Amino acid sequence: SQQGEEDPQALSIQEGENATMNCSYKTSINNLQWYRQNSGRGLVHLILIRSNEREKHSGRLRVTLDTSKKSSSLLITASRAADTASYFCATDRSNDYKLSFGAGTTVTVRA
Amino acid sequence: DSGVTQTPKHLITATGQRVTLRCSPRSGDLSVYWYQQSLDQGLQFLIQYYNGEERAKGNILERFSAQQFPDLHSELNLSSLELGDSALYFCASSVGVNEGEYGYTFGSGTRLTVV
Repeated sequence: SQQGEEDPQALSIQEGENATMNCSYKTSINNLQWYRQNSGRGLVHLILIRSNEREKHSGRLRVTLDTSKKSSSLLITASRAADTASYFCATDRSNDYKLSFGAGTTVTVRA
Repeated sequence: DSGVTQTPKHLITATGQRVTLRCSPRSGDLSVYWYQQSLDQGLQFLIQYYNGEERAKGNILERFSAQQFPDLHSELNLSSLELGDSALYFCASSVGVNEGEYGYTFGSGTRLTVV
């Protein structure tokens, strides 16, 4: 079973626009991470936010975490064609020892 | 190159057969994780090894087994293969035993096709 669920499942935007995707999870977590996967390739770690953090930035990425709502969002600003990929949230649960991935959001950036 | 090496990249085999997937973790990483990615199930955690010992088990079928060797490379053995085993199999590694703490480094995967 998957701990995290991303929303929307798919997103299509114009180059230069911002892309926002959300992740909801079910149980308490130690941290939440976002990964990117280009078609058929391995996942690449983007950013990690700990349960006691509310917002984190890395370049054009902004992640928020609301533990009361058990949700997180990933914002990609000024999108580029190279941002076309699937984005997954993954949770490190408090009472577990495995990183659980959501189903992912597929982002297409149109030139 | 992520530093995690998986071989082979592609594998086509018949039902009922057995295959071995190999993973070399990033230098310095002691934990190895195996995930299966399919269209209908998404990314499913299979098993984790830390410094040669099994650490956590997920949705791994009894037909599947894994091990981590003293040099820290890992092998995932899949036997009595079925059509439904067709998927991308990823290996990931991390520095410590607390796998979520710093993020995983993923390999590029092995695409298994069972015909």
